[in-house]
Amino acid sequence: NAGVTQTPKFRVLKTGQSMTLLCAQDMNHEYMYWYRQDPGMGLRLIHYSVGEGTTAKGEVPDGYNVSRLKKQNFLLGLESAAPSQTSVYFCASSRHSAYEQYFGPGTRLTVT
Amino acid sequence: DAKTTQPPSMDCAEGRAANLPCNHSTISGNEYVYWYRQIHSQGPQYIIHGLKNNETNEMASLIITEDRKSSTLILPHATLRDTAVYYCIVSPISGGGADGLTFGKGTHLIIQP
Repeated sequence: NAGVTQTPKFRVLKTGQSMTLLCAQDMNHEYMYWYRQDPGMGLRLIHYSVGEGTTAKGEVPDGYNVSRLKKQNFLLGLESAAPSQTSVYFCASSRHSAYEQYFGPGTRLTVT
Repeated sequence: DAKTTQPPSMDCAEGRAANLPCNHSTISGNEYVYWYRQIHSQGPQYIIHGLKNNETNEMASLIITEDRKSSTLILPHATLRDTAVYYCIVSPISGGGADGLTFGKGTHLIIQP
């Protein structure tokens, strides 16, 4: 099993550009999450999904959109990137909210 | 608001037991205690979790006080590869709402050779 994979690993955007980050899991997990981590900080929840076709806002959702069209994939979109969105983005999945979360390797995004 | 309090950093000699404390004095009856760690630049890794009983797995032991207001993560024989930031997190058993984990700043554990 590959576990949780994230694409791309690195990306540099100019202000105003758009992009989509892809998260894929092969563990048949119902729950998926997107977090961001800024330097010296813990992770903060952006959006999450409790099942295929569902999404919900987390702690810091502004400037991001998400979609969960297939159970194994969770997409994070930036419609108009801003320098404040420079961060490392982690995706995670879990069988249920009470179970452990499995994290991907992260995507390092720089917005100039 | 942080629901847990951890020391910002700790040192431990290689081969010794590393004991990482965590205070969670406002924990509710329906909240688990989770421990994760993050090795530099990698995604967080689940270690262990518990409700009120002590727990042990192949990675670590978790000791939770009887009043559940604090806990200790024990790495029995620390190695250099255990150098990481360790996060203590309290989270509901079942939320239905914002089920993500709330990460604080954690404890940076440095294993000394």
